[in-house]
Amino acid sequence: SQTIHQWPATLVQPVGSPLSLECTVEGTSNPNLYWYRQAAGRGLQLLFYSVGIGQISSEVPQNLSASRPQDRQFILSSKKLLLSDSGFYLCAWSNVDGSPLHFGNGTRLTVT
Amino acid sequence: KQEVTQIPAALSVPEGENLVLNCSFTDSAIYNLQWFRQDPGKGLTSLLLIQSSQREQTSGRLNASLDKSSGRSTLYIAASQPGDSATYLCAVRTGTASKLTFGTGTRLQVTL
Repeated sequence: SQTIHQWPATLVQPVGSPLSLECTVEGTSNPNLYWYRQAAGRGLQLLFYSVGIGQISSEVPQNLSASRPQDRQFILSSKKLLLSDSGFYLCAWSNVDGSPLHFGNGTRLTVT
Repeated sequence: KQEVTQIPAALSVPEGENLVLNCSFTDSAIYNLQWFRQDPGKGLTSLLLIQSSQREQTSGRLNASLDKSSGRSTLYIAASQPGDSATYLCAVRTGTASKLTFGTGTRLQVTL
């Protein structure tokens, strides 16, 4: 069966520090991969999605970047965090045929 | 641009009641619609996926319907239980098969 792992679960970082959140999927090949952000009291905002290795689409101009170095690995990064980067970050995957989207457990990021 | 609205934003019902959660979307040219559950501080759990050609899907006490022409979906929960307390989100997939647009959710509380 397919599983998705996302870490860390919580993270507190000072303004200006770098960020690296990692997500891996097991039990499937060539999945679509997504990074979402959920701010308090707001809906989920799609940040990045990837349909293959090295293929990244950005939905919102921002201080973040994403990379997909391997088929089932998706990384969210920032060189210098801003206070506004605080939020709940969720990684998700789906098969390329539009089957259900499955989420990881999320990372709670607090930028201080 | 697709917009997804969920009404009500919050709902409190006594245990045992049947209830309906509503989801509406502005662009009826959808690929599919998915309902999720989110517990506080956790990721999203997929509940039901309805393809654009389908009218409804059922899983246990849950039944989701889709009226694509009117831009509406409902999630029916039968015989509600305290364990059903969570935030319920709907999301529609439009345009390419890669992107979902989420509603802001309905926060459900089932009381004893």
